[in-house]
Amino acid sequence: DAEITQSPRHKITETGRQVTLACHQTWNHNNMFWYRQDLGHGLRLIHYSYGVQDTNKGEVSDGYSVSRSNTEDLPLTLESAASSQTSVYFCASSESSGGTPGDTQYFGPGTRLTVL
Amino acid sequence: KNEVEQSPQNLTAQEGEFITINCSYSVGISALHWLQQHPGGGIVSLFMLSSGKKKHGRLIATINIQEKHSSLHITASHPRDSAVYICAVKRGTDKLIFGTGTRLQVFP
Repeated sequence: DAEITQSPRHKITETGRQVTLACHQTWNHNNMFWYRQDLGHGLRLIHYSYGVQDTNKGEVSDGYSVSRSNTEDLPLTLESAASSQTSVYFCASSESSGGTPGDTQYFGPGTRLTVL
Repeated sequence: KNEVEQSPQNLTAQEGEFITINCSYSVGISALHWLQQHPGGGIVSLFMLSSGKKKHGRLIATINIQEKHSSLHITASHPRDSAVYICAVKRGTDKLIFGTGTRLQVFP
């Protein structure tokens, strides 16, 4: 069955370190998204991609980067981790190439990141 | 003010009760989604609506585009319905704007 996976599921790191969170989907979806979820906030969009070599900034992109070298993967990198980046991170994917309102987003299981 | 507001923030119910969760939004949208987040953290999509009403099992979702309002109803609630229910709106492209969620607890 097609799925979307994230790794690691839990990560503890120190301030200033570079961290990469992996997201892999086997749906063959064009669109992939990274969100963070914090108490008191809804899910907030960090970065998104509509296809290979395409990346775009979301509303909370500062301190994060992504790259899309193939359809299946969208790794999220924290260049220099900060305590404010302690959060739960969700990856999601959807099928359409933008502009189609009806497509469901499928979410990964989440990665809990703690920055000490 | 958030673009997507949900009410109530927290809701407790006895098994068998009828549940209503509300979502109001302040922007033009192309679609509205209802999502369920289980206690373990996983998020699943329940409905996508652009008009009218949809039903799946004991869940019913309605939307009123003119009033910028949607409701999620659960009939004959069960403890396994305990979760956070999230409303999200789509504005044209595939990006979603999320509400902060409604935490539902159903007791036996």
